[in-house]
Parts: sequence; structure tokens; C-alpha cells
Amino acid sequence: EMVLTQSPATLSVSPGERATLSCRASQSVSSNLAWYQQKPGQAPRLLIYGASTRASGIPARFSGSGSGTEFTLTISSLQSEDFAVYYCQQYNNWPPTWMFGQGTRVEIK
Amino acid sequence: QVQLQESGPGLVKPSETLSLTCSVSAGSISGSPYYWGWIRQPPGKGLEWIGAVFYTGSAYYRTSLKSRVTMSVDTSKNQFSLKLTSVTAADTAIYYCTRLLTQRPVDYWGQGTLVIVSS
Repeated sequence: EMVLTQSPATLSVSPGERATLSCRASQSVSSNLAWYQQKPGQAPRLLIYGASTRASGIPARFSGSGSGTEFTLTISSLQSEDFAVYYCQQYNNWPPTWMFGQGTRVEIK
Repeated sequence: QVQLQESGPGLVKPSETLSLTCSVSAGSISGSPYYWGWIRQPPGKGLEWIGAVFYTGSAYYRTSLKSRVTMSVDTSKNQFSLKLTSVTAADTAIYYCTRLLTQRPVDYWGQGTLVIVSS
């Protein structure tokens, strides 16, 4: 079964700095990878799909890259509202699965 | 705009069966290309995909829960359901129902419902 491993578990960043989050898949997912942001008490919000395409309404400071087994989410200049937990997710065609990584918490330094 | 709404008991006793239903509005389950899935999140922990079911009844589950999970669809009520047997405290979580399409991320989420497993 597909396993997604995110690193680091926690990232401490000052406002205005860049944050780089990683997601590694146990087998190739091509570009079938998404990133979500989750804040306390809320359902996850889709940021990136297709490894690098921003979802509707997502600011340009969020960018995704990678393919195969290695992926990165970059937040170019952290704003106060960006401090949250971020999850990567693969979506496979066959068998249909939608597995998540364990999450990276981005906290204020 | 599709809306998903979970319903079911908020408290389940250990060893019993957790049963949840998701009602779908503004879109028919029957004949649609979507899978209808469940994702859970234990308090303070990460997201875990449980499984998904197609309107035909074909279902796919995560390996670790496969022996305890059953998902089904009721097209006449435009609902789909989750049953999880032999629950323990580790099954305490917020359970989200979702709409899914193969090779696409989750596009709709329910608001989530907290289920606590406790005697």
C-alpha cells in the first residue's frame, strides 16, 4: 500500500521567511499529488493539485514541485494566516486510493 | 454546489459497530463518475483515508482497516454509509465524508462529525 512520508514533522519559521515542506512517496505517483492546509476546527483546504497547479483562489506565494516520488511545497513569504498543518495526498487511478502523509506543522518561530 | 452532511451516533461503546451516513445534496450519486469516501482524523492527529465506494457498490478500503470496514450506497436516498466493526478508543476521530474522482484530489468535504468510542 502507498505510504507518503512528510518532513519535517514541525517547521519553525519567522513571518516573511520561506518555508519548504517535503513529501516522499513509497512508489511513483506520477504527478497525482495534492497539498492541503488545515487549521484548527476546519476541514482541509486544497492548495495544490497535479503536484504544481494552484487551486482556485490560492495565493501565488504557494507553489508545488516534483514528480514520481519526491515532492515539495514552498511558501515563499510566510504570512500570519499560513501557520497551520500541511498534508500531502496521492490520488491513484487503480486501485483507487487517496492516501495522506502524516502532516507538517508550520509554526511561528 | 454539492453539499455533504454526516449523521450518526456521536458515542459508540468499545467492541460495537460505528455506523455513519452521509447525505448528498445538489447532485445524484446514481450514475455519477464519483467515488464517495470517508476520511477520519483522531484528535490532534493526521488525516487517514478509510475507503471509498462507487454508486455500483464497488468499494476500496485502506489495508489496515479492510477487515472491519464496509461502505455502501443507497441511491434511492442519495446517501452513502460507513460501518466500522469492533471499535476501540483508537477509532475515536472526526469522520469526514467526501466526494472523490480517480486521479483527482478531494473536491468536496462534509463538515465532519466527532465519534467518541467510550463505555
